[in-house]
Amino acid sequence: DIQMTQSPSSLSASLGGKVTITCKASQDINKYIAWYQHKSGKGPRLLIHYTSTLQPGIPSRFSGSGSGRDYSFSISNLEPEDIATYYCLQYDNLYTFGGGTKLEIK
Amino acid sequence: EVQLQQSGPDLVKPGASVKISCKASGYSFTGFYMHWVKQSHGKSLEWIGRVSPKNGGTNYNQKFKGKARLTVDMSSSTAYMELRSLTSEDSAVYYCARSYYDQGAMDYWGQGTSVTVSS
Repeated sequence: DIQMTQSPSSLSASLGGKVTITCKASQDINKYIAWYQHKSGKGPRLLIHYTSTLQPGIPSRFSGSGSGRDYSFSISNLEPEDIATYYCLQYDNLYTFGGGTKLEIK
Repeated sequence: EVQLQQSGPDLVKPGASVKISCKASGYSFTGFYMHWVKQSHGKSLEWIGRVSPKNGGTNYNQKFKGKARLTVDMSSSTAYMELRSLTSEDSAVYYCARSYYDQGAMDYWGQGTSVTVSS
């Protein structure tokens, strides 16, 4: 099974600022990584798939990059509605989620 | 509009079974896998398994083999997950979500179904 190590588990940033989350896979996942935003009481929302492809309607403030085992996800120009927990998902070989990152605004 | 509408919350006794439903609308039901994902309170997401509405084929996370059983009813475009021999460890929110067959991430999700196992 592929393991996904996501960090940090939580972070705090200022409005208008930028944050970066990383996920490290236990093996090469061939860029098959997605990033989700999850708010309480709702299903997760797909933001990015295949490392860097934005879902329709997702603002360009969200971005992703990486290859091999190492991937990152960034949010720039932080807005209040970005408060959520973010997860990575590998879907190269079945599916594994990262541990999640809880984002708070200072 | 793609929608996945899940059944309401369940309170079940230890040792019992529960069956959760996920009714799909707004797209071709047979054109996508249906996945099930668990979120225990305060914890991360866990992939349980997926079912192909096209042929009923299933793949499971090894951890949930014997615990979860995934089925579909094509006549009503509804996917089901049955959880058996419930313990307190099965208390969680369960989500359904669809993905393309061709190595796709889950793009649309249900609203979640809370299952509480308690005597």
